[in-house]
Amino acid sequence: TQLLEQSPQFLSIQEGENLTVYCNSSSVFSSLQWYRQEPGEGPVLLVTVVTGGEVKKLKRLTFQFGDARKDSSLHITAAQPGDTGLYLCAGGGRKTQGGSEKLVFGKGTKLTVNP
Amino acid sequence: DAGVIQSPRHEVTEMGQEVTLRCKPISGHDYLFWYRQTMMRGLELLIYFNNNVPIDDSGMPEDRFSAKMPNASFSTLKIQPSEPRDSAVYFCASGYSGMNTEAFFGQGTRLTVV
Repeated sequence: TQLLEQSPQFLSIQEGENLTVYCNSSSVFSSLQWYRQEPGEGPVLLVTVVTGGEVKKLKRLTFQFGDARKDSSLHITAAQPGDTGLYLCAGGGRKTQGGSEKLVFGKGTKLTVNP
Repeated sequence: DAGVIQSPRHEVTEMGQEVTLRCKPISGHDYLFWYRQTMMRGLELLIYFNNNVPIDDSGMPEDRFSAKMPNASFSTLKIQPSEPRDSAVYFCASGYSGMNTEAFFGQGTRLTVV
C-alpha cells in the first residue's frame, strides 16, 4: 500500500510569514500533485510535478519534487489570509508505464494564516 | 463547463436505511473516482472507474457499499444498510487519462447517519 505522510498536520502563522509543508513516502510515484481544500468544498488542483528534482512556481507558492520522486514540499512566501486551507498531496502513476492510475492522498496540512 | 456535479449536498438518514449518492463527471473525462473524507482517516479512495468499468474497488469498506457507472455521464454510490460509522463527506472526482491522472472534485455530499 502506498502511503503519503504530510507534516506538519496543523500550522498557524501570521500574515507575511514564510512556511514550508512536506509530503513524504517510502514509495516512488510517477507524479505528485498538490491540492488546496477550503471548508465545504472539494479539493482543487494546484500543480502536478513529474520529474525528480522538478521545481514549479505558482505566484507565491513553490513546489518541489524530490530527486527520488518519493517526497515533495510546498513553500509559501509572504503568506496571506487567503492562503488558509487544507493542503493535500496526492501520488499517482501513469498507466502507459505500467503504473496504476490510482490517486492516493495524504491526510493534509491544515494552514491558518492570521491577519 | 459546470464541473463535477454531486447530489445531494447533504443527506441525513436513519441507521438501516438505503442511501444513494449521485455524480455527474466532467464531459470528456474517462476516469471517475469516489472518495470518502473524515477527520480521522483523511481522504480515502473507495473505488475508481475507467471508461465506465470499475478498475479497483479495494477501498470499498464492505459489502454494504456498491458503486455503478451505467454510462459516461453518471455514477452512483449506494450504501445499504447505512450505519452511523458511514457518516462522512463523500466526494466524486473525474479525470482525463493524459500523461498523469489529475482529479477534479465535486463539492461533496455530507452524509449523516443517525
